[in-house]
Amino acid sequence: QKEVEQDPGPLSVPEGAIVSLNCTYSNSAFQYFMWYRQYSRKGPELLMYTYSSGNKEDGRFTAQVDKSSKYISLFIRDSQPSDSATYLCAMSASLSGNTGKLIFGQGTTLQVKP
Amino acid sequence: DAGVTQSPTHLIKTRGQHVTLRCSPISGHKSVSWYQQVLGQGPQFIFQYYEKEERGRGNFPDRFSARQFPNYSSELNVNALLLGDSALYLCASSLDWATNEKLFFGSGTQLSVL
Repeated sequence: QKEVEQDPGPLSVPEGAIVSLNCTYSNSAFQYFMWYRQYSRKGPELLMYTYSSGNKEDGRFTAQVDKSSKYISLFIRDSQPSDSATYLCAMSASLSGNTGKLIFGQGTTLQVKP
Repeated sequence: DAGVTQSPTHLIKTRGQHVTLRCSPISGHKSVSWYQQVLGQGPQFIFQYYEKEERGRGNFPDRFSARQFPNYSSELNVNALLLGDSALYLCASSLDWATNEKLFFGSGTQLSVL
C-alpha cells in the first residue's frame, strides 16, 4: 500500500464548475499537507500549505485536512481553463528530525473545458 | 528574482553512461533537494542537502550521488545509467532544512536513457 493515494483521473469539467480533488494517506505522523500544481513540462508550483487539521482558503482555492480520517481535499471554485494542469498532494512528518522528504501522491490531471 | 534554475533542460544518454545535473537555488535559500518524477507519477525524494551536508536520502541505489557547493548550488550525479532512470529530475530549494515543507521547484531536467 502506498503511503499517499490519489486518484489519477483524468478529471474533465466545464468552465465555472466546482472541482474537488482528494488524497488519502496511511502515515499518522504526517502533519504538514500541501497541494502543488504542475503544468506540462514544468516543475510543481506550491498552491496551498496547511499544518495539521482544518481549512485554509486562498482566493478560489480551499484546502481541507481531516487527520482523523487521514483525508485531505482541495476545492477549486469557478474553475477556469487556465486551471487545467496536474494537481499533486504532498505531505511530511514533524519538523523535528525533518530531512526534507515530501511524500507525493500520484497526481490528478484536470481539464477545464471552455 | 530568479527562481530555482536547472541545467540542462533536456538530456539524452545511452545505457551505462554517466550524467551530471545542475541546480541553482533561489537567492538566500541554503537547502536543496532532488526529486525524480517518472511519467504519470508524483515526484520521489532522492536527496536533501543543507550547508553542504547530506540531510536525507531516499530509497535510491548508490549509483545516485549529489553534492552542494559553498554558493549553495548543487549537482546530482547518476552513474551506469539504466533505461529506468529516464525521468524528469527536479531540484527544489528552501530557506533552511527545517522549513522544507515550503519547497520551491525548478522546471526540471528531462533525462532520456536509450
